[in-house]
Amino acid sequence: DADVTQTPRNRITKTGKRIMLECSQTKGHDRMYWYRQDPGLGLRLIYYSFDVKDINKGEISDGYSVSRQAQAKFSLSLESAIPNQTALYFCATSDPGTGKDEAFFGQGTRLTVV
Amino acid sequence: AQKVTQAQTEISVVEKEDVTLDCVYETRDTTYYLFWYKQPPSGELVFLIRRNSFDEQNEISGRYSWNFQKSTSSFNFTITASQVVDSAVYFCALTSNSGYSTLTFGKGTMLLVSP
Repeated sequence: DADVTQTPRNRITKTGKRIMLECSQTKGHDRMYWYRQDPGLGLRLIYYSFDVKDINKGEISDGYSVSRQAQAKFSLSLESAIPNQTALYFCATSDPGTGKDEAFFGQGTRLTVV
Repeated sequence: AQKVTQAQTEISVVEKEDVTLDCVYETRDTTYYLFWYKQPPSGELVFLIRRNSFDEQNEISGRYSWNFQKSTSSFNFTITASQVVDSAVYFCALTSNSGYSTLTFGKGTMLLVSP
C-alpha cells in the first residue's frame, strides 16, 4: 500500500458543484501539503498544515478550503468548482525531524471541471 | 521569496545522447535543500535526488549525475546515454526552513527521447 493515498484518482465534476479530494498517510508525519499542477506551470502550493490545529494558505488558496481531520488525514475542498480548477492535484507529507525536508507525494488526483 | 527557473521547456534527443537539464534557483536562506523529481506519463512524481546547501559534491547514480554550484545558484541534471524510458517531465524544486518546508517548483522540462 502507498504511504500517501489520494482519493479519488480521477474525477469529472460539473461547474458549481462542491467536491472534496481526500488524502491519507501512514508515514506518521505531522506536515501535510496540497499542490496543484497545471501544464507548463509546475506545481504550486495551495494549503499546508503542520499539525491538526495549524492550517496555512499557500500561493494559490483562493477557491479552495482544507480540513485536517487527524494527523493522517488532510482534505481539500472546492466549494464551487470552476473549469480553471481543472488540474492534477497532489498531496504530500514531510517530516522535518529527519533534517532532510523530503516530501512524499501521493499518486495524484486528476480533476476535470466541465 | 524563493524561485526556481527551468529555462528549457522541452528537449528532444535521440537515444544514447547525453542531455543536461538546467536548474537555477533563488533564495535568501543559507540552509536549503534542492530536489529533482521525475514525472513519467503515468503522472506520479518520482523522487530522484536531494541535495543540501552545504554539500556541493557532485553526485552520480548510474546514468544520472548532478552538478551543484552555489556560485552560480545552479543544480543541473545530466542523463548519460539517454533511453526512451527517460522520457518524462523533470522538475527541480527548492525548500528551506523559512519556506516552512514547502517546496517551490520550477515549471518543469519535458524530455523526449526518441529511438
